[in-house]
Amino acid sequence: QVQLVQSGAEVKRPGASMKVSCKASGYPFTNSYIHWVRQAPGQGLEWMGIIHPGDGGTTYAPKFQGRVTLTRDTSTSTAYMELSSLRSEDSALYFCARTMMGVTNDLDYWGLGTLVTVSS
Amino acid sequence: QTVVTQEPSLTVSPGGTVTLTCASNTGAVTSGYCPNWFQQKPGQAPRALIYSVSNKHSWTPARFSGSLLGGKAALTLSGVQPEDEAEYYCLLYYGGGQVFGGGTKLTVL
Repeated sequence: QVQLVQSGAEVKRPGASMKVSCKASGYPFTNSYIHWVRQAPGQGLEWMGIIHPGDGGTTYAPKFQGRVTLTRDTSTSTAYMELSSLRSEDSALYFCARTMMGVTNDLDYWGLGTLVTVSS
Repeated sequence: QTVVTQEPSLTVSPGGTVTLTCASNTGAVTSGYCPNWFQQKPGQAPRALIYSVSNKHSWTPARFSGSLLGGKAALTLSGVQPEDEAEYYCLLYYGGGQVFGGGTKLTVL
């Protein structure tokens, strides 16, 4: 069955960087896209960016351009989201979600989320 | 800046019908925006309900349907159940980038 397993919760200092992982299983990783979405406490969903594991191509939301980097390791079917220059407003639950190639923009399976707390 | 707008909150009686909408400040929402709808309950990850306007997943209850209505994307729940009380989010595609709406809190009362 399709699964997206995310890394565990993190606490970071302001100004530091964070890197969250999303390990995919149950489907051909390189035939998909991985989205990253975050949700601050009590707030709505915010789309951050997308990576195509097949060729590593990425698109970032304008708000995060220059501060977020999406990468992948096809040998382990794992996608990564790195966010730099952290501030308190980056404290949130970070989700990964997949879209299969050939299925128009369908974010069908989601990870459970990784809680990141930015605090001094 | 692209803004996607949803009703902040709606209330519906059990067994009733309710329509949630999703508008874009760039103009009318068309099929090209590939509207998605997600349901989220407290403490849970979002669950996909509808993609590309009206396509359902195998797990999407039949009472949920998606459409385009008056220049907006719409999610209609017919025969609402108590378990449908949740936050609902739409997602629109803007040629590579995507934007979520602010969410609609649906209360079943």
